[in-house]
Amino acid sequence: QVHLVESGGGVVQPGGSLRLSCAASGFIFRSSGMHWVRQAPGKGLEWMTFIRYDGSYKYYADSVKGRFTVSRDNSKNTLYLQMNSLRADDTAVYYCAKPPDLPFLEFLPAYWGQGALVTVSS
Amino acid sequence: QTVVTQEPSFSVSPGGTVTLTCGLNSGSVSTSYFPSWYRQTPGQAPRTLIYNTNTHSSGVPSRFSGSILGNRAALTITGAQADDESDYYCLLYMDSGISIFGGGTKLTVL
Repeated sequence: QVHLVESGGGVVQPGGSLRLSCAASGFIFRSSGMHWVRQAPGKGLEWMTFIRYDGSYKYYADSVKGRFTVSRDNSKNTLYLQMNSLRADDTAVYYCAKPPDLPFLEFLPAYWGQGALVTVSS
Repeated sequence: QTVVTQEPSFSVSPGGTVTLTCGLNSGSVSTSYFPSWYRQTPGQAPRTLIYNTNTHSSGVPSRFSGSILGNRAALTITGAQADDESDYYCLLYMDSGISIFGGGTKLTVL
């Protein structure tokens, strides 16, 4: 079964950088697009970015475009999120998510990890 | 700026039926937006209920159903149970690689 485990969260100062990882298992990672979604404390879900199975296409929400970069290493079954120029309002739980097991629906998150908390504070 | 709208809160009696909706600040929601529905309890990861308008995610009971009602996407819960008390989010795909969540609906069962 699909298993996603985020890591790399922690406390970082404003203006700093952090890289999150998402270790995937239970499915053919190299054939699947992947998403990152975040949730600020007490707030709703925010879709952030999607990367196609081969990394050929990447899409970002306006709120993170130019600051965050999604990437993947299919040889390690791992998804990454490089976060730069972090701000206090980037404080959130960050989830990686996999699409459903159906073709042409790669842009929908369906299977979720447990999340990693990132706190941006001085 | 595109905004996905949901009722902030809703209540339902145990055993009752409730329909939550998901709209756009400009325009109508159709199947072309591939509406999806998620629920989340505090401190937990989201759980996918419905995707692509009316496809059930694995293990989701049939008392949850998705549809298009008028110009909005809808999630209907029949036979509401106490543990259905959660936050419910819809997601719309914008046909540009971008997806947008609604603000969520807090459902109370009482």
